[in-house]
Amino acid sequence: KAGVTQTPRYLIKTRGQQVTLSCSPISGHRSVSWYQQTPGQGLQFLFEYFSETQRNKGNFPGRFSGRQFSNSRSEMNVSTLELGDSALYLCASSLGQGTSGNTIYFGEGSWLTVV
Amino acid sequence: GESVGLHLPTLSVQEGDNSIINCAYSNSASDYFIWYKQESGKGPQFIIDIRSNMDKRQGQRVTVLLNKTVKHLSLQIAATQPGDSAVYFCAEPGAGSYQLTFGKGTKLSVIP
Repeated sequence: KAGVTQTPRYLIKTRGQQVTLSCSPISGHRSVSWYQQTPGQGLQFLFEYFSETQRNKGNFPGRFSGRQFSNSRSEMNVSTLELGDSALYLCASSLGQGTSGNTIYFGEGSWLTVV
Repeated sequence: GESVGLHLPTLSVQEGDNSIINCAYSNSASDYFIWYKQESGKGPQFIIDIRSNMDKRQGQRVTVLLNKTVKHLSLQIAATQPGDSAVYFCAEPGAGSYQLTFGKGTKLSVIP
């Protein structure tokens, strides 16, 4: 069974540009979450989608957005990139149904460098 | 919201010894906790989880202990190996959600 797959693994963007990151969850998982990881702030929750609907959103500016498709694949977009957006962006998937307690699995992440 | 914190940022242990990584949480209503291992350049890897109706859960070479009275959990790694070197995070989902709150992490270094 394939794990959570994220693309691209590495990318470099210029300030002011926008970026789109992609995530394919584990087969059968309908919940997809996104996290930002930086040395200074650690792992921070961005948003979570279930059945194409955003269920939860973290405390990030509107430049950060996401969506989920009918096949549960998800994308996140960051517009007007800033240097501080340089981070490891992690996608996680889970069955997403019922009470919390479904195991949440992470992908290897997308390393974004903004120059 | 909930907060999950770690007591020690770094831990060095001799190969073959047991490791204990601690984690404190603040929300007494928390009912589920997860431990993740993150190796350099990789995403967090699920190690073991525990629900609040349990005090202890064992996996392969790992044991998680939950003390609800003092809101503390620990991850014990038996016979620590060089491959265990990584950053370990405890994480806690919000009530009824899949939003994880992570501690800052403990870096485990295994001395050969």
